[in-house]
Amino acid sequence: KAGVTQTPRYLIKTRGQQVTLSCSPISGHRSVSWYQQTPGQGLQFLFEYFSETQRNKGNFPGRFSGRQFSNSRSEMNVSTLELGDSALYLCASSEVWGGAGKTEAFFGQGTRLTVV
Amino acid sequence: GESVGLHLPTLSVQEGDNSIINCAYSNSASDYFIWYKQESGKGPQFIIDIRSNMDKRQGQRVTVLLNKTVKHLSLQIAATQPGDSAVYFCAENNAGNMLTFGGGTRLMVKP
Repeated sequence: KAGVTQTPRYLIKTRGQQVTLSCSPISGHRSVSWYQQTPGQGLQFLFEYFSETQRNKGNFPGRFSGRQFSNSRSEMNVSTLELGDSALYLCASSEVWGGAGKTEAFFGQGTRLTVV
Repeated sequence: GESVGLHLPTLSVQEGDNSIINCAYSNSASDYFIWYKQESGKGPQFIIDIRSNMDKRQGQRVTVLLNKTVKHLSLQIAATQPGDSAVYFCAENNAGNMLTFGGGTRLMVKP
């Protein structure tokens, strides 16, 4: 079974631009979550999707948005990029969403975004 | 655990010794906990998980202990190997699949 696939792996953007990152979950997984990882703030939750619906959202500005498609693939978008958005963006997939049967989240390799 | 994410504490151990990595979590309502290992340039890799109705769980060379009274998790790695060198994160879950991560501990294994 293929793991979580994130594209692209590396990205360089200019301040003010927008960016779209893609995540393909493990086959059969319907829950996708996104995280931002920086040296200063560590790993922080952005949002999570299940069945094409956003279920939870972290404490990030509205410039950060996402969506999930019917095949469970997910994208996140950051508009009006700022230098502080430079980070590793990680996607994680899970088989189920919440509940007593929840299991581990599997992470992709991440997309390294550099804003210049 | 709250993601302080500023200075990573480092645990340095000799190859073959046992390692213990500790983590304090923040939400007493959290009912599921996971330990992840992250190597340079890679995403976090699942190591072991534990639910709040347990206080101990063992895997291959790893054991997780959960103390809900003091909101504390620990990861024990037996016979630590150079390949265990990485940053280790604990994560707590209390809503959906949302994970709150601790700040991480860097494990360095000396040959």
